[in-house]
Order: sequence, then structure tokens, then C-alpha cells
Amino acid sequence: DVKVTQSSRYLVKRTGEKVFLECVQDMDHENMFWYRQDPGLGLRLIYFSYDVKMKEKGDIPEGYSVSREKKERFSLILESASTNQTSMYLCASRTRGQGALNTFGSGTRLTVV
Amino acid sequence: AQSVTQLGSHVSVSEGALVLLRCNYSSSVPPYLFWYVQYPNQGLQLLLKYTTGATLVKGINGFEAEFKKSETSFHLTKPSAHMSDAAEYFCAVSGGSARQLTFGSGTQLTVLP
Repeated sequence: DVKVTQSSRYLVKRTGEKVFLECVQDMDHENMFWYRQDPGLGLRLIYFSYDVKMKEKGDIPEGYSVSREKKERFSLILESASTNQTSMYLCASRTRGQGALNTFGSGTRLTVV
Repeated sequence: AQSVTQLGSHVSVSEGALVLLRCNYSSSVPPYLFWYVQYPNQGLQLLLKYTTGATLVKGINGFEAEFKKSETSFHLTKPSAHMSDAAEYFCAVSGGSARQLTFGSGTQLTVLP
């Protein structure tokens, strides 16, 4: 069964900490995405990557960075966590094909205190 | 650029009644459209998708949606609601360099006994 695995289901961090959220897919997908989900706002795209070492800003990149050193792994980095980054974070991946579907991870609920 | 508007953040229906969840989109290219469902404390599950071809799309659990280009709409329907349909529903449009998804803000469906 194909999978997108997010390393932590729940995470609590302190304000100012550097936070790494990890996402690994086993489907050899070229494209990977990070979204955050907030009540009443749906899912918003933070960053995406269409190849190793390639990255593009999404709609809300401020306060975040990403790393993609290997095809299967896409990391979201909060350089200095703030309380307004408390959210559910979802990773997804897909192939390049036009009709290809996204596979989503089960999410990481991050609380910044 | 693309965007999605879901009318009604909360919809309540009685068990056995028609479910209608509204979605309007804007897209600068022919759109690919999706409906996802999220049950409490679970990840996103694809209900159905429209890419090309037949404008009436059937999905899982008895749901269907009709793509209406003239109205830029992709409303989700189900003839008879079941208690197990209670969940949050997200409409999404695909576009951009990696065909990334842009989501609506979501509609919480409540099914009343």
C-alpha cells in the first residue's frame, strides 16, 4: 500500500524553537507539498517541490522554509516557532502526470506554547 | 491563479434528506476539480474528481458532482444522507506549475436523526 508518512502525529514546541516536520513518501513521486489546515480557512499551501533540491513558495510561505535533499523526503522547517504557527500540517505527494492524484499523510498537529 | 469558494461553512440535513454542498471555482486554465472528505481526527479522503470528459462524476459512498463550466460550479450531492456522512468536506481545484491543489474553506456537514 502506497504511503505518505509524517513522522509525528502530535508535537508541542516552545516559542522560538527551531522545528522540523518530516514527510516521507514511498511512491517515487516527483511532487511534494506542505499544507496547513486551520478551522474556517481550509488547507493552505505553504511550499511545494517538484524535484530534488527544487522548491517553490505557496500561498503562505512566511515563517517557513523547506528542504528536499532526497526524492522521498520533504521537510518543513519553522526557523523560530511562534504561537500563530499552531496548526495541523499536512504533507502530500503526487506524480507529474496531469490526472495524477495527491496522496496525503495523516497530519502533524503542532502546538507552539 | 485559481481559487475556490464553498458557500456555507456549516450545513445540516436530516437523515434521508438530500445533501447539497456548494462549490464555485475560478481558474485561468481548464480546471481539474476534486471533493475530499475528512472525518474527525482522520486524514483527507478523495470522494471524486473531474478532469475531462463526462461532466457528471460519481464518487464513493453515493456522492456525485456535476461540473458546470458556464456557472463555474462543482456542487456535491447525495440523494439520501446517512449519519455516517457527518464530516467536513473540501472542494479543491488543481493548477499551477505542479498542479498543486487550492482548497476551499470547507463545509461541515451535520446529519440530524
